[in-house]
Amino acid sequence: DAGITQSPRHKVTETGTPVTLRCHQTENHRYMYWYRQDPGHGLRLIHYSYGVKDTDKGEVSDGYSVSRSKTEDFLLTLESATSSQTSVYFCAINREWDSEQFFGPGTRLTVL
Amino acid sequence: DAKTTQPTSMDCAEGRAANLPCNHSTISGNEYVYWYRQIHSQGPQYIIHGLKNNETNEMASLIITEDRKSSTLILPHATLRDTAVYYCILNKGANNLFFGTGTRLTVIP
Repeated sequence: DAGITQSPRHKVTETGTPVTLRCHQTENHRYMYWYRQDPGHGLRLIHYSYGVKDTDKGEVSDGYSVSRSKTEDFLLTLESATSSQTSVYFCAINREWDSEQFFGPGTRLTVL
Repeated sequence: DAKTTQPTSMDCAEGRAANLPCNHSTISGNEYVYWYRQIHSQGPQYIIHGLKNNETNEMASLIITEDRKSSTLILPHATLRDTAVYYCILNKGANNLFFGTGTRLTVIP
């Protein structure tokens, strides 16, 4: 395993509530990513980070914000969760942009 | 951005070689071909990648055509544990990794 943990692993919340998902790595890798995966779809990039305090948007960033105050932690926040954000969220890391990505175990989020 | 085309599903007999094709006819010169797989509800797992030359590691071989418009992932001796969704991906940047829907490989006993 690449030393990536995600918390929580499962969460059920209600529409309109804020939610924060955490990705923690012990590899000291520069790049970190948040993806979402929905039934019948591959993974879609939400946001990524290329260093502490350096983040950028991905393909499906609307409704999400991220923060990275330490190398090891990358937080994904849903300011006001909606039912369309019900999904499985994966965190990934890699050393450089063109090296292989290592994925966390995923967080299953249900927004009622 | 260049995308890939893969068959939706494939079957392979246990112990035989599994050959998974991928078309990427609009690939650009600086894009790597990556293969990942995802075993039911787990996070994707890196398999192999290449730019121009064929590559081999302990998991698989990657054959890239000379014009780089297509590639084939080869699992030399498929086992039941290789049943998964396999993604062929082009990578030319940190925010430029499109997974698509992949190929669902079923290894049959």
